[in-house]
Formats: sequence, structure tokens, C-alpha cells
Amino acid sequence: RKEVEQDPGPFNVPEGATVAFNCTYSNSASQSFFWYRQDCRKEPKLLMSVYSSGNEDGRFTAQLNRASQYISLLIRDSKLSDSATYLCVVTRFGNEKLTFGTGTRLTIIP
Amino acid sequence: EAEVAQSPRYKITEKSQAVAFWCDPISGHATLYWYRQILGQGPELLVQFQDESVVDDSQLPKDRFSAERLKGVDSTLKIQPAELGDSAMYLCASSPLGQGKTGELFFGEGSRLTVL
Repeated sequence: RKEVEQDPGPFNVPEGATVAFNCTYSNSASQSFFWYRQDCRKEPKLLMSVYSSGNEDGRFTAQLNRASQYISLLIRDSKLSDSATYLCVVTRFGNEKLTFGTGTRLTIIP
Repeated sequence: EAEVAQSPRYKITEKSQAVAFWCDPISGHATLYWYRQILGQGPELLVQFQDESVVDDSQLPKDRFSAERLKGVDSTLKIQPAELGDSAMYLCASSPLGQGKTGELFFGEGSRLTVL
């Protein structure tokens, strides 16, 4: 079983809609969680961290469920510019190694 | 444009040839990572340096891959001999010491390798 698993999609969503996707992780020792965004043929960039209490950054909301070992990303009022691959990332306690999921591809349709 | 510099951006080679990639991280960043990203997959860590020391190379195929960061600044990743399955994007990333725990890595634009 992979350490970090994501539905690869693609998710094709109309502009203005709300979309959510999850990521599951297998190691209960995982400590920190993040979402990265990767545009086509570009490098990954940090989108947001995921805190235990959940956190929001504009139209983006990230949540963590430690009991079920998954994190989620919700995008409200989606824009064409949100089209990208969203990568789930976890780290282990005391370790600076970031483990990436396979990514979920999102396309916003006009 | 990414502040982490990588070269070459593109490399086409024949199998069994040697290939080398270079990375210059952001000035002052102690931690440097080499990731491999196969099309349609997420980045996979090959090697992690802290200054000039290897912290993690558990996923590096050591029979053909080598990496060094001799002076703790720039780094080179080498493949010899290249195989068809090595075709991928090779991403270099850096972070200040301890910043890896906060999740923010700064990636270069990558070196895309095609092995024929």
C-alpha cells in the first residue's frame, strides 16, 4: 500500500462550482500535512498547510481527520485558474522528508 | 521563474549512456532534495542532503544513480547507465534548515529526461 494515496481524477468541474477531494495516508506516525499545486509542466508549489483544527485560505479549505487518516481540500467558487494537479504531502515526526501523493488532476470548465 | 536553478532543462539520451543533472539551490538553504517525477505520478524522493551530508538516499537506485553536494551548496545527480525507465522529470528542491517540517520546499523547474 502506498504511503499517500489520492484519486488521480481527472475531476472536470464547471466554473463556479465547489469541488472537494481527499487524500489518505497509511502511516499513523505522519505528523504534518500539506497541499501542493502543480500546473502543467511546472514545478510543484506549496498551496497550504493542513492543521488539525482545519484551516481556510480564501476559497480553499483544508481539513485533517487523524482518526480516519485522511486530509481533504475543498475549493469553493472555482475559477478557471484553479485548473492544476493538487498533490497531497505528508511528513513524519522528526523527519524533513516530504512524501507526495500521485496528485489529483482538476480541470475547471468554462 | 524558480529561484532554484537546474540544468539542463531537457535531455535526450540513448540507453546505456551517462547523464548528469545540476542544481543550485536558493542561497543559504541547508537542505537539498532530488525528486523524480514520472508522468502522471507524484514526485518521489531520491536523495536528501543536509549541507554536504546525505540524510536519506533509501530510494536512490545506487547501482546506477549517484548524487553529491561536495561543498554543501550546489549538487549533481548522475545516472550511469541510463535505462528506458529513467525517463522522467528530475526535480531539485531546497529549504532552509528545519523548514522541511513546515512543508515548504522551493522547487526548480526540473530537468526532463528522455531515454531512447
